[in-house]
Amino acid sequence: GENVEQHPSTLSVQEGDSAVIKCTYSDSASNYFPWYKQELGKGPQLIIDIRSNVGEKKDQRIAVTLNKTAKHFSLHITETQPEDSAVYFCAANFDSWGKLQFGAGTQVVVTP
Amino acid sequence: DTEVTQTPKHLVMGMTNKKSLKCEQHMGHRAMYWYKQKAKKPPELMFVYSYEKLSINESVPSRFSPECPNSSLLNLHLHALQPEDSALYLCASTQTQDSNQPQHFGDGTRLSIL
Repeated sequence: GENVEQHPSTLSVQEGDSAVIKCTYSDSASNYFPWYKQELGKGPQLIIDIRSNVGEKKDQRIAVTLNKTAKHFSLHITETQPEDSAVYFCAANFDSWGKLQFGAGTQVVVTP
Repeated sequence: DTEVTQTPKHLVMGMTNKKSLKCEQHMGHRAMYWYKQKAKKPPELMFVYSYEKLSINESVPSRFSPECPNSSLLNLHLHALQPEDSALYLCASTQTQDSNQPQHFGDGTRLSIL
């Protein structure tokens, strides 16, 4: 079945530095790749998503890149701030019925 | 603030109790989802409703019983739960049941089984 691997599992960065999280997926039919941010005590919040007909998408300090040939996609956060500290999940769709396969998550800690 | 509202935020219940979790959205979405999330793990899909009909049941034990009374409401009825059912239960919605659409999550109900 569909498998999504996410690395690293934890990431500590200095405020102002960049953070990069990488995911790989196994199903070549996947065509939708959302990223979620989950703060303590909250539900996952969609922060950016990308579809397979696009190679890169940017929203202020957040960007996502997709390499369909290599089956991997990455989240880039620039100029990190303490409020970026959270768990980040990547996901990929693997059928047409609303199912997403999530990565294991990355705990990001931004130190002032 | 999330557009998907879940109540209660916290619930503690014994193994013989019956309780219900509630989820509400007013975005006009016609697909709604229940997920279970254990600590430090990603969400796991339990059920999907599409146009108020059960579309997907991911082999969830019958002690969990979903219900979709109308297009804005989704309930999860709980009965005779086990300690391992303690988790964060998340509700999500999409415009339609299409895996190409962003899922909007609520903040969840944190459930503890004594």
